[in-house]
Amino acid sequence: GQQLNQSPQSMFIQEGEDVSMNCTSSSIFNTWLWYKQDPGEGPVLLIALYKAGELTSNGRLTAQFGITRKDSFLNISASIPSDVGIYFCAGPPIQGAQKLVFGQGTRLTINP
Amino acid sequence: EPEVTQTPSHQVTQMGQEVILRCVPISNHLYFYWYRQILGQKVEFLVSFYNNEISEKSEIFDDQFSVERPDGSNFTLKIRSTKLEDSAMYFCASSEALRLSGGETQYFGPGTRLLVL
Repeated sequence: GQQLNQSPQSMFIQEGEDVSMNCTSSSIFNTWLWYKQDPGEGPVLLIALYKAGELTSNGRLTAQFGITRKDSFLNISASIPSDVGIYFCAGPPIQGAQKLVFGQGTRLTINP
Repeated sequence: EPEVTQTPSHQVTQMGQEVILRCVPISNHLYFYWYRQILGQKVEFLVSFYNNEISEKSEIFDDQFSVERPDGSNFTLKIRSTKLEDSAMYFCASSEALRLSGGETQYFGPGTRLLVL
């Protein structure tokens, strides 16, 4: 089935640094969703992207829907300690699918 | 802000026992989902539910699993005879509608951690 590959798998940064992570697929996705998961919690939606080329911000977070529709990236500017967690990309694997497939996640660790 | 709620937060059970995980989706949402996440792994789709019937399910969702919307608010996942490998976090999610392109934004609950001994 369609898979989403996220990179990097983990990141260790200093507080205040900017962060960039991405998500790629071998096939086209029509929706890209970015979620954050804290330990022992459910995924929380950060940003939803529905159009190729779309660039959307949510506070310090910015995400883009790649022109090829096979990738998306998420940037976090001026990281703070509460940004720690696992970031997942997700999307419907085929046109009209109700289910979401998830990437394996990028684990972000911040040194104060 | 409306949110998806799940109970219990933790459940420990013996292998072979039945468990029922409960969810209250966001009130005006029409599509309901169950996902699971084995420790350290990615989130995996189990089943979607619309208009009182299953609309899509994965190969994980075998005959041991069933879902139900017993009343206007609850959405349940039953595992008939639990196995050790059913140990995971189980997440309920809901969405307001279904986009033509699929992937309507789904909002997740906090999860139920199931441990099968």
